[in-house]
Amino acid sequence: GAGVSQSPRYKVAKRGQDVALRCDPISGHVSLFWYQQALGQGPEFLTYFQNEAQLDKSGLPSDRFFAERPEGSVSTLKIQRTQQEDSAVYLCASSLVGNSRTEAFFGQGTRLTVV
Amino acid sequence: GNSVTQMEGPVTLSEEAFLTINCTYTATGYPSLFWYVQYPGEGLQLLLKATKADDKGSNKGFEATYRKETTSFHLEKGSVQVSDSAVYFCALSASSGSARQLTFGSGTQLTVLP
Repeated sequence: GAGVSQSPRYKVAKRGQDVALRCDPISGHVSLFWYQQALGQGPEFLTYFQNEAQLDKSGLPSDRFFAERPEGSVSTLKIQRTQQEDSAVYLCASSLVGNSRTEAFFGQGTRLTVV
Repeated sequence: GNSVTQMEGPVTLSEEAFLTINCTYTATGYPSLFWYVQYPGEGLQLLLKATKADDKGSNKGFEATYRKETTSFHLEKGSVQVSDSAVYFCALSASSGSARQLTFGSGTQLTVLP
């Protein structure tokens, strides 16, 4: 596709349920980022991949959060035993190369609601 | 650590009014600075960027100048349109380290009335 694609767009999970969020980056983009955006706030960094290597996971809020990108393309963010505070929009972004000047392209996000 | 502080909203203007959204940052080294825009129902889109001091980014009539002496990157537009109604985010990307993640401000909601 032409842009970053995320699925599902909306997810309602019962507290304690595991969820998996998918990101399809732009083809050929080396860098992939996950962000968490709470209501009325700016996105906050979760984790970063360069190809299949997870180079930074310092933003993951707990060990319930896990991300992977096994073949250097599609990425999955998994949240185990979801809690109400996990409710947010999860954004994926990709960029061609990993330097600070390169534009990051964002998907539309997955809105997760934990009930 | 790195941080971005931007003008709180919401901001409501009449069409053709002048717009300023203030943004200041804290960072080590020489970050790149960005403005992203989020239109209703859409994803974040890059509006403009500047990668070194005194650079001016511009797009769609919007401008912002990288001011290192005041650590600022204020967004301006001379005459806003209804179609500019959106949420605007100021962001920076660090110039060192292994990751190039963006650090965002909290966003400013702009509504332009006809």
